[in-house]
Amino acid sequence: GESVGLHLPTLSVQEGDNSIINCAYSNSASDYFIWYKQESGKGPQFIIDIRSNMDKRQGQRVTVLLNKTVKHLSLQIAATQPGDSAVYFCAENPGYQKVTFGTGTKLQVIP
Amino acid sequence: DTAVSQTPKYLVTQMGNDKSIKCEQNLGHDTMYWYKQDSKKFLKIMFSYNNKELIINETVPNRFSPKSPDKAHLNLHINSLELGDSAVYFCASSSTAGTGDTEAFFGQGTRLTVV
Repeated sequence: GESVGLHLPTLSVQEGDNSIINCAYSNSASDYFIWYKQESGKGPQFIIDIRSNMDKRQGQRVTVLLNKTVKHLSLQIAATQPGDSAVYFCAENPGYQKVTFGTGTKLQVIP
Repeated sequence: DTAVSQTPKYLVTQMGNDKSIKCEQNLGHDTMYWYKQDSKKFLKIMFSYNNKELIINETVPNRFSPKSPDKAHLNLHINSLELGDSAVYFCASSSTAGTGDTEAFFGQGTRLTVV
């Protein structure tokens, strides 16, 4: 259902620091996970993905960690910049194109 | 070149009206989706089509009827609009070819306001 009564979690980070955004997923059958970034007034944009046969994947300034034991996903952003300010979503895919999004975390970068 | 484009970007309409949102993707993807995002930014899947066939229908009221005339298009028609339908609707597409599911590409969204 909808996130009635829930507030969007906010993470405030100083420019240049590293950011860590966490996500708990629900379906142990999920084998593909994606992090999206959504800027104001735009659609979600792909950042990085990871499949269940891996526990870590690195991109440019971003790293995703997957812990299947506790069904936890994290996104690490190195040297956070003002342009990183956005809402970040993790998404899980148990197959059959049924991608489910987490509630999102708002990242605020303080100059 | 916009990969996933949806129109209109904004839609303001009165309760009880019928409206449509169109979506087109030029990525050659075989799967298309409609998502609804509420005021708290929660994104929920509504429908998924694979090669023009309905794969997922997530307990969406019958007033919502998707139509996929071909693999590149997935339109959303909404009958008898209600205040609670106000939200941002996102179209997306992805490919299931190759090694399996891949990330979805999203359109810019349609902000629907029912008054």
